[in-house]
Amino acid sequence: EDQVTQSPEALRLQEGESSSLNCSYTVSGLRGLFWYRQDPGKGPEFLFTLYSAGEEKEKERLKATLTKKESFLHITAPKPEDSATYLCAVQARGGYQKVTFGIGTKLQVIP
Amino acid sequence: GAVVSQHPSWVICKSGTSVKIECRSLDFQATTMFWYRQFPKQSLMLMATSNEGSKATYEQGVEKDKFLINHASLTLSTLTVTSAHPEDSSFYICSALQGPLSNQPQHFGDGTRLSIL
Repeated sequence: EDQVTQSPEALRLQEGESSSLNCSYTVSGLRGLFWYRQDPGKGPEFLFTLYSAGEEKEKERLKATLTKKESFLHITAPKPEDSATYLCAVQARGGYQKVTFGIGTKLQVIP
Repeated sequence: GAVVSQHPSWVICKSGTSVKIECRSLDFQATTMFWYRQFPKQSLMLMATSNEGSKATYEQGVEKDKFLINHASLTLSTLTVTSAHPEDSSFYICSALQGPLSNQPQHFGDGTRLSIL
């Protein structure tokens, strides 16, 4: 069974204080790993897809990296508007489109 | 691009009522849509996968007669919660798969907060 574990569950940063969120996964052959951002009372907003170990993607202050066992979401010089819950999800090979989500990391950036 | 609209965003109704939730892909065609349920401080739990023109595939433990899914067009899927009871109160979110490749990201609607009194 595919599993996704995200840490920490919650993270509080000062504005400008860089940090990383972790997503550890167990999957029978990775087809894709996805990062989403979710604001309270809203649906997840797509950020990145990573397909193979060593791959990196960047968007503004966010950078996602992937190894064979985990992914990191690096946040550089965060701003209060980066406050949200960040979700990680994995999709296994096998011809089925289902993805498995982690619980997420709730990030709060304080001015 | 890749906008998914979900309606209504919030509904309160009496126990025993049936509630229909719509999920539309506004700027792309979605052969496959998904329905999730999310409880506070928990991950998104997949309820069913909806394919246009065919019966939905339900996850283990999800009552298909309770949660009716219809995907009659490439831009619309509906979830009907039949004879809803307080334990059905939750946050329901739909997503749509953009593109023919199965490893493309899902794009989500903004969810429906369902409260059964």
